[in-house]
Amino acid sequence: NAGVTQTPKFQVLKTGQSMTLQCAQDMNHNSMYWYRQDPGMGLRLIYYSASEGTTDKGEVPNGYNVSRLNKREFSLRLESAAPSQTSVYFCASSEAWTGKDTQYFGPGTRLTVL
Amino acid sequence: GIQVEQSPPDLILQEGANSTLRCNFSDSVNNLQWFHQNPWGQLINLFYIPSGTKQNGRLSATTVATERYSLLYISSSQTTDSGVYFCAVESPNDYKLSFGAGTTVTVRA
Repeated sequence: NAGVTQTPKFQVLKTGQSMTLQCAQDMNHNSMYWYRQDPGMGLRLIYYSASEGTTDKGEVPNGYNVSRLNKREFSLRLESAAPSQTSVYFCASSEAWTGKDTQYFGPGTRLTVL
Repeated sequence: GIQVEQSPPDLILQEGANSTLRCNFSDSVNNLQWFHQNPWGQLINLFYIPSGTKQNGRLSATTVATERYSLLYISSSQTTDSGVYFCAVESPNDYKLSFGAGTTVTVRA
């Protein structure tokens, strides 16, 4: 089992460029999440997908869109990147959206916006 | 949302020492998890512990839900314990995880 995988690992963008971060899990989990981590802070939830076919906003959704492509894959899109979106992005998954499940994290994508 | 405070923010230990990390939260929670982020950035779940006490090797955790705090104990610390330890709690209203700012632990040989 690879667990949760993310691509790319690193990315540098110019202001205004767009890109999509990819996430996939092979644990047959129903719920998936995107977080961002900024220096000196914990992780903040951007968007989540409680189950296939549903997505919802988290704490900091502005400037992002998501797609739950199928049960395995959950992508995060930056339509017009801004320097404030420089961060490390983590994808996570859990078995269900029940409040009782451990979340498993991918290795992260380090994004720099110039 | 639920406020999560972790203390201390930084901790420097000599190898073999014991330590206690604290997590306070502002409201009732469904779920509390402790994570370790290693120096390469990987986040690993240590404990799912909404209440009670659990042990895993040299690590143990206790959550007192009625008093809204959790403690993570590291015994006989090793250099591989270095990294950032995060506490995260899940609100019963929306099931979203809120993270504390973390405790950075440095274990010196």
